[in-house]
Amino acid sequence: EPEVTQTPSHQVTQMGQEVILRCVPISNHLYFYWYRQILGQKVEFLVSFYNNEISEKSEIFDDQFSVERPDGSNFTLKIRSTKLEDSAMYFCASRDRVSRYEQYFGPGTRLTVT
Amino acid sequence: KNEVEQSPQNLTAQEGEFITINCSYSVGISALHWLQQHPGGGIVSLFMLSSGKKKHGRLIATINIQEKHSSLHITASHPRDSAVYICAGLGGSQGNLIFGKGTKLSVKP
Repeated sequence: EPEVTQTPSHQVTQMGQEVILRCVPISNHLYFYWYRQILGQKVEFLVSFYNNEISEKSEIFDDQFSVERPDGSNFTLKIRSTKLEDSAMYFCASRDRVSRYEQYFGPGTRLTVT
Repeated sequence: KNEVEQSPQNLTAQEGEFITINCSYSVGISALHWLQQHPGGGIVSLFMLSSGKKKHGRLIATINIQEKHSSLHITASHPRDSAVYICAGLGGSQGNLIFGKGTKLSVKP
């Protein structure tokens, strides 16, 4: 069964460093999402991406964040200068054009900023 | 503002019990996802509902659009059902989800 994959599973970085989190969505999916979950809190929407551009973003998704689909298969989230409060689990999700609602989630990347 | 509220926050049950988790949502949310999050953090989609009722094995999800309320039921609960169950509403025009805080379910043998 097709699945969304994410790498790495765990990333440790120092404050101020840039990190890139990678996702490979399901191959025929067209809509892509990033969510994050700070430990002990609920999952929060960051950004949605369609047709090679951001379609919607939350207040959390400020200038420190960017997304890219560099090669038609990968979907990346970049944090330019990480802060301690960026420590969280980051989930990628995707859906196809037909399914208006159902999203498929990757296993997540746990980002720890020290 | 689109919101999703879940109850209870924590739930402990004995194996075999019938379990209900509730979710209320605000105007502007057009459909609901029920998701399961395992201790390792991974999220699995259980159901997507915009009306009526869906059943998969021992899991049943219902939604009442007029009352803006959905329930997830687990029949004959088992310790392997122990997980966090999350209700998420379809809030944005691009399909982004608005998540509830989750219900931590623990089923004791």
